[in-house]
Amino acid sequence: GDSVTQMEGPVTLSEEAFLTINCTYTATGYPSLFWYVQYPGEGLQLLLKATKADDKGSNKGFEATYRKETTSFHLEKGSVQVSDSAVYFCALSALEQGAQKLVFGQGTRLTINP
Amino acid sequence: EAGVVQSPRYKIIEKKQPVAFWCNPISGHNTLYWYLQNLGQGPELLIRYENEEAVDDSQLPKDRFSAERLKGVDSTLKIQPAELGDSAVYLCASSLRQGAGTDTQYFGPGTRLTVL
Repeated sequence: GDSVTQMEGPVTLSEEAFLTINCTYTATGYPSLFWYVQYPGEGLQLLLKATKADDKGSNKGFEATYRKETTSFHLEKGSVQVSDSAVYFCALSALEQGAQKLVFGQGTRLTINP
Repeated sequence: EAGVVQSPRYKIIEKKQPVAFWCNPISGHNTLYWYLQNLGQGPELLIRYENEEAVDDSQLPKDRFSAERLKGVDSTLKIQPAELGDSAVYLCASSLRQGAGTDTQYFGPGTRLTVL
């Protein structure tokens, strides 16, 4: 079945460092790809998405490019802030019965130190 | 606009006791999801509703879990009896499905269940 594999955490960086969180997927069709973020005590929030190959999703300084040839959707940010500390989930959507079914990776906990 | 509301936020019970979780989706959203999130893992779908109809409950352990969405708005997820392995976070999400594959899911804060 469809699956998502994320970079093992936790990840700890200093403020203003460059961030990469790796994500690869396995899917039979052509899924849409997502990054969700979960801040402490809150629900998952959609951070960005890409719906087809070579699309780039971006939001709040974060970017990810849908790479069909490497089945990847790595999350990047050029200069992280303390407020970016959270758990990040990569996910794909598979169409089942005409509706989006999300399959999540295991999450990567990110801590940014001042 | 209010987000997805869940209650309670935390629940501690002893094994074999019943427990119920409540979810109020974003106003106007026709699709509602319940997910299970184990510690250190991503969410896994338990059940999906289109209005009041459960259209995908293939991952719901029906021997002890049940759910309902009366009038196609609020939803309740119940476990009876609870087991130690049910300790997890239960997430509710909702979306407005207007066409195949076009909906974005919005998540509530979750209910953290601890079974002793």
